[in-house]
Amino acid sequence: GNSVTQMEGPVTLSEEAFLTINCTYTATGYPSLFWYVQYPGEGLQLLLKATKADDKGSNKGFEATYRKETTSFHLEKGSVQVSDSAVYFCALSGSARQLTFGSGTQLTVLP
Amino acid sequence: GAVVSQHPSWVICKSGTSVKIECRSLDFQATTMFWYRQFPKQSLMLMATSNEGSKATYEQGVEKDKFLINHASLTLSTLTVTSAHPEDSSFYICSGEAGGTEEQFFGPGTRLTVL
Repeated sequence: GNSVTQMEGPVTLSEEAFLTINCTYTATGYPSLFWYVQYPGEGLQLLLKATKADDKGSNKGFEATYRKETTSFHLEKGSVQVSDSAVYFCALSGSARQLTFGSGTQLTVLP
Repeated sequence: GAVVSQHPSWVICKSGTSVKIECRSLDFQATTMFWYRQFPKQSLMLMATSNEGSKATYEQGVEKDKFLINHASLTLSTLTVTSAHPEDSSFYICSGEAGGTEEQFFGPGTRLTVL
């Protein structure tokens, strides 16, 4: 079956630091890949997505590239802000459009 | 993005009682809705998928008679936890998918505590 393995947290960074959150997946076929963000007290929000190999998703300074050869979709941001503090979930969507989530990574950015 | 609401946001009930959680898509029609369960510091686990007007499809290990799902309209799905027990305490999250898209819009979740 499908699975997503995500870098365990928590991750604590200083403002303006570089962020990488690793995500690898196992899936049959050609899934779509997503990063969701959950701010405190709020529902999950789609941060970015990529639907095919070598696609790069980007939003709010975050980027992730769909790497089929390494089955990875690592999330990166060059300079994090305090407002980026949240829980980040990597996910994939298979043929049935059902999402399989990673375990989530808590990010805290300190001023 | 599209908005999904859940009600209540939290609920405390006694063991053996039933609890109903509502999930509404406020500004779009959700042909498909999903129900997830999230334990503390863990990921979301899909419980069931429901399409408007038809029976829900439950994931393996999820008791359909315990977790009753109704998707009577394109904007409303309900999850009823019947005869709740302390082990049912969890964070329940719904999402809606607009027809023809692959994107799910998530509700803020409902915290259920069973005493």
